[in-house]
Amino acid sequence: QSVLTQPPSASGTPGQRVTVSCSGSSSNIGSNSVSWYQQVPGTAPKLLISTNDQRPSGVPDRFSGSKSGTSASLAISGLQSEDEADYYCAAWDDSLSGFYVFGTGTKVTVL
Amino acid sequence: EVQLVESGGGLAQPGGSLRLSCTASEFSLRTLEMNWVRQAPGKGLEWISYISTSGSTLFYADSVKGRFTTSRDNAKNSLYLEMDSLRVEDTAIYYCAKNLPGSKWRPYSFDSWGQGTPVTVSS
Repeated sequence: QSVLTQPPSASGTPGQRVTVSCSGSSSNIGSNSVSWYQQVPGTAPKLLISTNDQRPSGVPDRFSGSKSGTSASLAISGLQSEDEADYYCAAWDDSLSGFYVFGTGTKVTVL
Repeated sequence: EVQLVESGGGLAQPGGSLRLSCTASEFSLRTLEMNWVRQAPGKGLEWISYISTSGSTLFYADSVKGRFTTSRDNAKNSLYLEMDSLRVEDTAIYYCAKNLPGSKWRPYSFDSWGQGTPVTVSS
């Protein structure tokens, strides 16, 4: 059971801006960096954002990440059809002996 | 970019064992911190283990602690996941994933993933 909560779904039309939220706590997002992953069904996940807001080489600048307190957000601007995928936030959690946790996942649909 | 390839998946009975492997093509794994992540059918991602470059630092998810063992053989350029006491709920696609450099010797961001190997636990 994930300790990072995301909305199950989000949607937008081509060109719109869509945001995905990720809610955590002081032991994870509140004290550690957040990453975001994109997974097109049937394929391996892909790193979109590391260290809260850093885009790896090759990731379009339409994708941006932010963090505030115990929450984080992924924004997709200029939504494109190929952005239809599942999106997961993730962070290290300092509680107990420590563990890495993925969010519950958000399905983004391009209408 | 590092190309990771998993192998060893298949069908196992409850209580049985399987050993997964992960190799990197045209790249040395010895300098890489690595993780195993799984995804049950129709479900989200679940991190299950991390291993440091030397193998001296290990982290496991509670769901597999005491049953799964991650190891590496840098001479063979390979990462392993030994899965014992398998349960039906271990059925999933298993991915190996590379840590982004700069971690504090723990799972950080995973910037390269294999294609995954399926594991089915069923009688």
